[in-house]
Amino acid sequence: SQQGEEDPQALSIQEGENATMNCSYKTSINNLQWYRQNSGRGLVHLILIRSNEREKHSGRLRVTLDTSKKSSSLLITASRAADTASYFCATDHVPYSGNTPLVFGKGTRLSVIA
Amino acid sequence: SQTIHQWPATLVQPVGSPLSLECTVEGTSNPNLYWYRQAAGRGLQLLFYSVGIGQISSEVPQNLSASRPQDRQFILSSKKLLLSDSGFYLCAWRERPGNTIYFGEGSWLTVV
Repeated sequence: SQQGEEDPQALSIQEGENATMNCSYKTSINNLQWYRQNSGRGLVHLILIRSNEREKHSGRLRVTLDTSKKSSSLLITASRAADTASYFCATDHVPYSGNTPLVFGKGTRLSVIA
Repeated sequence: SQTIHQWPATLVQPVGSPLSLECTVEGTSNPNLYWYRQAAGRGLQLLFYSVGIGQISSEVPQNLSASRPQDRQFILSSKKLLLSDSGFYLCAWRERPGNTIYFGEGSWLTVV
């Protein structure tokens, strides 16, 4: 099935550094969303970027979308220990209807070391 | 504001026993509803989704089933659990295609 694939699978950085995670997908999308999951908890929505947008910001988060390369990146600047979590991208694919639920990738596990 | 409730939070069930996980959404009407499963350290696998009462679509054939008896209620069931059914089950909703999906806190199921 169509699926976003995050890269890397795991990332370990020092507090204060920037963290970049990538997501690739296979077919045309309507939008791409990034989610965060703390261990053993539900997913929390971070940012939604539509196919006609190239970049969005939210606080320390920056998301880019390159539809020609079918890829997106999530940048977390000035990381904190509390950013430690798994991050997932999810895609809404064309055609656009109630029968096309979000398809999630396997996630990137981010560890921020204090 | 809208909220989603999912329960129970954790359960341990013997092989062959039945299962019922319940999810309700408040503050909206006619939501799209979803059940996902997440195996340990893995991504999310879509199990079922529903765009209306009594309308259930299954993504993965297995011994699980879903029902939507009311507009904002989504139930995941099994008549006989297998060891492989163990995992983290997440209910989710959104108002319409293209919108953000909001997740419940999840239910940890261990089949022993």
